[in-house]
Amino acid sequence: NAGVMQNPRHLVRRRGQEARLRCSPMKGHSHVYWYRQLPEEGLKFMVYLQKENIIDESGMPKERFSAEFPKEGPSILRIQQVVRGDSAAYFCASSARGGGDTGELFFGEGSRLTVL
Amino acid sequence: GQQVMQIPQYQHVQEGEDFTTYCNSSTTLSNIQWYKQRPGGHPVFLIQLVKSGEVKKQKRLTFQFGEAKKNSSLHITATQTTDVGTYFCASRPSNAGGTSYGKLTFGQGTILTVHP
Repeated sequence: NAGVMQNPRHLVRRRGQEARLRCSPMKGHSHVYWYRQLPEEGLKFMVYLQKENIIDESGMPKERFSAEFPKEGPSILRIQQVVRGDSAAYFCASSARGGGDTGELFFGEGSRLTVL
Repeated sequence: GQQVMQIPQYQHVQEGEDFTTYCNSSTTLSNIQWYKQRPGGHPVFLIQLVKSGEVKKQKRLTFQFGEAKKNSSLHITATQTTDVGTYFCASRPSNAGGTSYGKLTFGQGTILTVHP
């Protein structure tokens, strides 16, 4: 019974390169969330997606960041032209529903991006 | 947007002492969730509170939801070294019908260290 799967677990990029982070939600889950976490800081919401739709991207930087959750395959968070300030842990979470009584989130183990 | 303020940011205790973290909102919450993140790990769902004045217990952990549904607390009795980690509260906005939906916003978290 696989949980939320994220890869890569660790990613090193040089400034100006692209980073692609992948997330496969738990089986049966159609809601995916991406959060960003700096060391000893909280979880900052980035984007909320359902299959083929972006529901809420209010936490996404306007430039260089994009996310998708295609009909087939994992959700992808893409960061173009990375800068050192993008270094962080990026967590993906999934839920069976978008809210309500059973809207708990199941988190993946995170992808830790380091920008040199 | 909806925000929950969490205090304290850090808490250092001796093993065996009690620990409490508080979550406060300026708006009424439809429900609130609590998560724990071990050092180097990912957030794990602990519990959800829905009803005004609700109290739930999990072994040494006691969770409360305020009567006005604007605050919540997590209390750990007789801490152990295994309690080390960051504790987050989280909530979703309420829709016109009073149910929660959409993105989950996390408090800043309380980092708990337990000295043996």
